[in-house]
Amino acid sequence: ETAVFQTPNYHVTQVGNEVSFNCKQTLGHDTMYWYKQDSKKLLKIMFSYNNKQLIVNETVPRRFSPQSSDKAHLNLRIKSVEPEDSAVYLCASSPTYNQDTQYFGPGTRLLVL
Amino acid sequence: TQTVSQSDAHVTVFEGDSVELRCNYSYGGSIYLSWYIQHHGHGLQFLLKYYSGNPVVQGVNGFEAEFSKSDSSFHLRKASVHWSDSAVYFCAVRASSGSWQLIFGSGTQLTVMP
Repeated sequence: ETAVFQTPNYHVTQVGNEVSFNCKQTLGHDTMYWYKQDSKKLLKIMFSYNNKQLIVNETVPRRFSPQSSDKAHLNLRIKSVEPEDSAVYLCASSPTYNQDTQYFGPGTRLLVL
Repeated sequence: TQTVSQSDAHVTVFEGDSVELRCNYSYGGSIYLSWYIQHHGHGLQFLLKYYSGNPVVQGVNGFEAEFSKSDSSFHLRKASVHWSDSAVYFCAVRASSGSWQLIFGSGTQLTVMP
C-alpha cells in the first residue's frame, strides 16, 4: 500500500531548465528525505526535513533546494539542470529523525538531455 | 564514520534454492543494521533490522538476517526463494549516536531463475 506519493513519475528536460518534484506522505511522519539514486543504483541522501526544519543538508550542488510547506510535503527543486542530474530521485519518510525504518515513494526518474 | 559494503553485485539462483546476501560494516561503536528490498521501478521497502538481542532477526516474506560482531557482518538469508524475490537488496547501517543518517550499501541484484 503506497503511503508516500511522488510526482511526476518521469521527466525529460534539457540542460539549463528548472524542474520541480513533489512528494507527499500520508503516514503522519515528522521526517522526510530526498535521496538520489544513480544509474548504478547507488543511493545518496540529499536532504532531510524534520517537522519542516532542515536537519541535514549534504554537499549537493546549490542548484538543488528542498521546499516544505508542512511536514507531510517535501518538494525538490533543481534550478538549471545538468546532465549529471539524470537519476532517480527517491522521497522517503520516517516517524522521527532517528528511525531505521524509512518508507519510500516510487521515485521520479529524471533524464536531462 | 560508519561504512557498509556488499561484496556481491549480482547473485543468481534457481527457484526453491536457499540464498545468502552478504553485508559487512565497519564502525567502532553501537550500530543499527537493516535490509531493504527494491523491485524494479519501485522505491525501497524495509525488510528487517537489528540493534541488540537475538542476533538472528526475522523479516517479511521468510527473510532473516544474522548479526555477527566478530565478523562485522549482517548477512541476509532465505531458505527457499521465489521468482518474485528477484530484486535489488540494500544493506544499511546507522550509528546509534552522532550521525543518525542511514548509509546504504551498493546493493546486490538477486535474480531467481524459474
